[in-house]
Amino acid sequence: GQNIDQPTEMTATEGAIVQINCTYQTSGFNGLFWYQQHAGEAPTFLSYNVLDGLEEKGRFSSFLSRSKGYSYLLLKELQMKDSASYLCAVKDNFNKFYFGSGTKLNVKP
Amino acid sequence: DGGITQSPKYLFRKEGQNVTLSCEQNLNHDAMYWYRQDPGQGLRLIYYSQIVNDFQKGDIAEGYSVSREKKESFPLTVTSAQKNPTAFYLCASSTRGPLYGYTFGSGTRLTIV
Repeated sequence: GQNIDQPTEMTATEGAIVQINCTYQTSGFNGLFWYQQHAGEAPTFLSYNVLDGLEEKGRFSSFLSRSKGYSYLLLKELQMKDSASYLCAVKDNFNKFYFGSGTKLNVKP
Repeated sequence: DGGITQSPKYLFRKEGQNVTLSCEQNLNHDAMYWYRQDPGQGLRLIYYSQIVNDFQKGDIAEGYSVSREKKESFPLTVTSAQKNPTAFYLCASSTRGPLYGYTFGSGTRLTIV
């Protein structure tokens, strides 16, 4: 079966750094993706990892350890507009995605 | 510009009625997907199609039906057999290969009245 776990909710302060963790157990692995979703809107792509290590993209970075089934999304210099849900998704060998329940991030002034 | 279009954005349905949600893409993507999202929850896969004239059930296919007669189109019908259809429905498409993620449509919010 497929199991992807993320914390339900996190709160951080504007200007700070926050790390959102994701652990997964899937029968196949062909990449791990992070999406941002504002309330009532469609998810938008943030980052992608297929090999172990850190991928940096501006204020956002994502890390993957395949042996540990673990990833995190790091958001730096938090802004109020970063308040959203962050979805971790694993792509299997058949082009299907499995999503975690999402982490709701609240950024406060 | 290429993209994926869902319509309508908001849809109201009386109990006992079937309703069809539209999803069209001009990205030349092979695969298309339908997800359902309930408040505070993640995305659950309803149906997916990797190629024209072929589709497979996802995790929660009961009460739903789809067709894939054209590469660009993947409509979802919510039937009266679906017990709790009020939700946010997202359509997505993807090309094959490990390097590509989903492109999502803007979603349709279906409400039973």
